[in-house]
Amino acid sequence: DTAVSQTPKYLVTQMGNDKSIKCEQNLGHDTMYWYKQDSKKFLKIMFSYNNKELIINETVPNRFSPKSPDKAHLNLHINSLELGDSAVYFCASSHLLDNYGYTFGSGTRLTVV
Amino acid sequence: RKEVEQDPGPFNVPEGATVAFNCTYSNSASQSFFWYRQDCRKEPKLLMSVYSSGNEDGRFTAQLNRASQYISLLIRDSKLSDSATYLCVVIPILTGGGNKLTFGTGTQLKVEL
Repeated sequence: DTAVSQTPKYLVTQMGNDKSIKCEQNLGHDTMYWYKQDSKKFLKIMFSYNNKELIINETVPNRFSPKSPDKAHLNLHINSLELGDSAVYFCASSHLLDNYGYTFGSGTRLTVV
Repeated sequence: RKEVEQDPGPFNVPEGATVAFNCTYSNSASQSFFWYRQDCRKEPKLLMSVYSSGNEDGRFTAQLNRASQYISLLIRDSKLSDSATYLCVVIPILTGGGNKLTFGTGTQLKVEL
């Protein structure tokens, strides 16, 4: 069983479209995250949710809107996609106070053309 | 100045060599430190935690120097399977909860025959 699963794995779409990436974890963690890895391979946090509440919101364009229907799911919706949004998006989960049990999903490779 | 800085490499070493990676961080209040490993087109995975007293896991030794804000990773007897990008990760002291991993840009290691 995959611990943190993301769908889709690959996403190619045109500029201006709206798309969503879904993430689910079956680890019983209470906190979920979205990270972005850009073309230079730099990984940076975007958002974090704890028990469905937003707790970390880095400087991200408001075209990006995370949604957490329950603590096992964290989806990322992106409006009006731009070329610069092309990246690999990783979902992750952990217990809030556990620095060591961080688990990443396998990533969604988004290409905007 | 980036929060976590690493030499991007690549480090090309022969099998059996000993290789060392360094990392510096800017936030002196940082609380937790890790090395993660990322294989090509895969998610990052925890390699080991880093403590001031130093810790060893098989061929891998990690060390933290809080005074110099410096983290190191030593790999002895390199194997071909060690080829990957090694990411230095720091968790700052949080005020609002959530384990925000702050990544360095990664150091690429290539172990050759």
